[in-house]
Amino acid sequence: DVKVTQSSRYLVKRTGEKVFLECVQDMDHENMFWYRQDPGLGLRLIYFSYDVKMKEKGDIPEGYSVSREKKERFSLILESASTNQTSMYLCASSSPEGHLYEQYFGPGTRLTVT
Amino acid sequence: EDQVTQSPEALRLQEGESSSLNCSYTVSGLRGLFWYRQDPGKGPEFLFTLYSAGEEKEKERLKATLTKKESFLHITAPKPEDSATYLCAVHHYNQGGKLIFGQGTELSVKP
Repeated sequence: DVKVTQSSRYLVKRTGEKVFLECVQDMDHENMFWYRQDPGLGLRLIYFSYDVKMKEKGDIPEGYSVSREKKERFSLILESASTNQTSMYLCASSSPEGHLYEQYFGPGTRLTVT
Repeated sequence: EDQVTQSPEALRLQEGESSSLNCSYTVSGLRGLFWYRQDPGKGPEFLFTLYSAGEEKEKERLKATLTKKESFLHITAPKPEDSATYLCAVHHYNQGGKLIFGQGTELSVKP
């Protein structure tokens, strides 16, 4: 079974803090994604990566950055957390092998910025 | 514009009352349509992939079907444990590995 893990289930940070959310997958997937999910807005793509050291902006990249130094690990960074970044953050991975593109999600990190 | 629309937004059923959820899409060059189940406070759980019109997939009380414009998730004799939000997503040419997600249908099954 594909396993995607996220570093924390719940996180509380203060405004202005630098926040790191980490995601690790164990299926050797090339593609990794970061989403945020808010009531009424659905899943919104923040950043994604097709390979090590590669990154591309999604639909809402402002206020975020990412790092992918190893294939299995994809980090989301909030440079200076703000209250409007309080949300559920979801990491996912997929493989283009066989053109499947099925995304497998982690359990999510509920981030609260106060 | 590429779009995925799910209906209804919310659905309440009695245990054993069969029904269907709809996912309509307006993308060209569909390469795959995916169904997910999401429980409150958790990440989406992958259910099915459908690749071409006429294809069907089944898992326990769930059956997913695909036409050229929409997909249905049929739930037969649902149980309270089927209560969740069901998400639909599509993948098409020129999107790389990105998926376009619908807003989801929140299903509640009462005993």
